Amino acid sequence: EVQLVESGGGLVQPGSSLKLSCVASGFTFSSYNMHWIRQAPKKGLEWIALIYYDSSNKYYADSVKGRFTISRDNSKNTLYLEMNSLRSEDTAMYYCARNYPGIPYWGQGTLVTVSS
Amino acid sequence: DIVMTQSPSSLAVSAGETVTINCKSSQSLFWSGSQMNYLAWYQQKPGQSPKLLIYYASTRQSGVPDRFIGSGSGTDFTLTISGVQAEDLAVYYCQHHYDSLPLTFGSGTKLEIK
Repeated sequence: EVQLVESGGGLVQPGSSLKLSCVASGFTFSSYNMHWIRQAPKKGLEWIALIYYDSSNKYYADSVKGRFTISRDNSKNTLYLEMNSLRSEDTAMYYCARNYPGIPYWGQGTLVTVSS
Repeated sequence: DIVMTQSPSSLAVSAGETVTINCKSSQSLFWSGSQMNYLAWYQQKPGQSPKLLIYYASTRQSGVPDRFIGSGSGTDFTLTISGVQAEDLAVYYCQHHYDSLPLTFGSGTKLEIK
């Protein structure tokens, strides 16, 4: 069974940093591209980052480019999202998700709240 | 960016009725190389993560009931739920999964059961 388990969310102040993790199991993690997708409270879904299976390519939404960094450790079956210079508008549930086709597998999410 | 426009934003139906949700993309999601339309539908129940229902516009994900039907091509797509059940209460999103970033989602359609 495919499982994606996120962690690392919490309440932080504007301007601070946070690193999210997503541990994958039930599939060959090193063979799949992975996404981070977020959902602000009572809002829709926003794709924010993609990393290729071998880390050769990384892509970001304009809203997080230059502030967030996606990475992975295939030896640990773990996906990361390092978030810097956090803003109130980054408050959201953050999901890791596996490609493809479409996005068939999502984690349960980890909540990030940016507030003073 | 590909803009995904969904309608309606909400609807309320009685159990057993048929529901139609529309999704329009700002550019064609059909790729001639694969002869596929790169459009997916998701269901998000309250307090849960999104669940993939349909990909390639009409291919049902494993385990999804056959009352969920995806159709359309190019820029216009439809999700039809035949014989809505109480458990179908959710927000439904369309998304392009074309090889063009950013991946974008529609704004969602909230389905309520009367």
